[in-house]
Amino acid sequence: GESVGLHLPTLSVQEGDNSIINCAYSNSASDYFIWYKQESGKGPQFIIDIRSNMDKRQGQRVTVLLNKTVKHLSLQIAATQPGDSAVYFCAEIIANFGNEKLTFGTGTRLTIIP
Amino acid sequence: EAQVTQNPRYLITVTGKKLTVTCSQNMNHEYMSWYRQDPGLGLRQIYYSMNVEVTDKGDVPEGYKVSRKEKRNFPLILESPSPNQTSLYFCASGALHRESYNEQFFGPGTRLTVL
Repeated sequence: GESVGLHLPTLSVQEGDNSIINCAYSNSASDYFIWYKQESGKGPQFIIDIRSNMDKRQGQRVTVLLNKTVKHLSLQIAATQPGDSAVYFCAEIIANFGNEKLTFGTGTRLTIIP
Repeated sequence: EAQVTQNPRYLITVTGKKLTVTCSQNMNHEYMSWYRQDPGLGLRQIYYSMNVEVTDKGDVPEGYKVSRKEKRNFPLILESPSPNQTSLYFCASGALHRESYNEQFFGPGTRLTVL
């Protein structure tokens, strides 16, 4: 069946370096892709989204890249800080006649090393 | 403060004893949804609602019921809980936009244990 998932379950990065978290998806019909951040003991928090007709979108310290040819999505976090330590989920949205189905990947745990 | 609230936050129950987890949002969002989160499986959607009296099944609806009688509330009902429903549950809400994805706001989670 269709799926969305992440390449690595864990990632450790030195504070101040850039982080890249990757995600692969299989459904070409996805309309949006979204990145969520989940800190320990909390619910997921929206970071950034990208529409399927775009290939790049930038936010504050974050950039999402979408490569539809290889069905790959990445989240780049610039100058990582301790507060960036969390589990990051990619998710896809398939919008169909007003109904939106959101499917999450399994997550990557990002650890920032001081 | 704009928020999604869930109650209870923690619940231990026994097999077969009906329970309800409440979810409420104060942002006037049309869209509400329930997810369960299990280790290694990420977040899986149970049910969602596009508006009052409109609900649809997500990926794992078996064993759950929902209702959307009011815009702000979206309770999750387990008529006869079983141990495989032990999980961390999240409620979320979002505003529906025609031009962009509806950012979802998540509640703090409800940790349910079924013995």
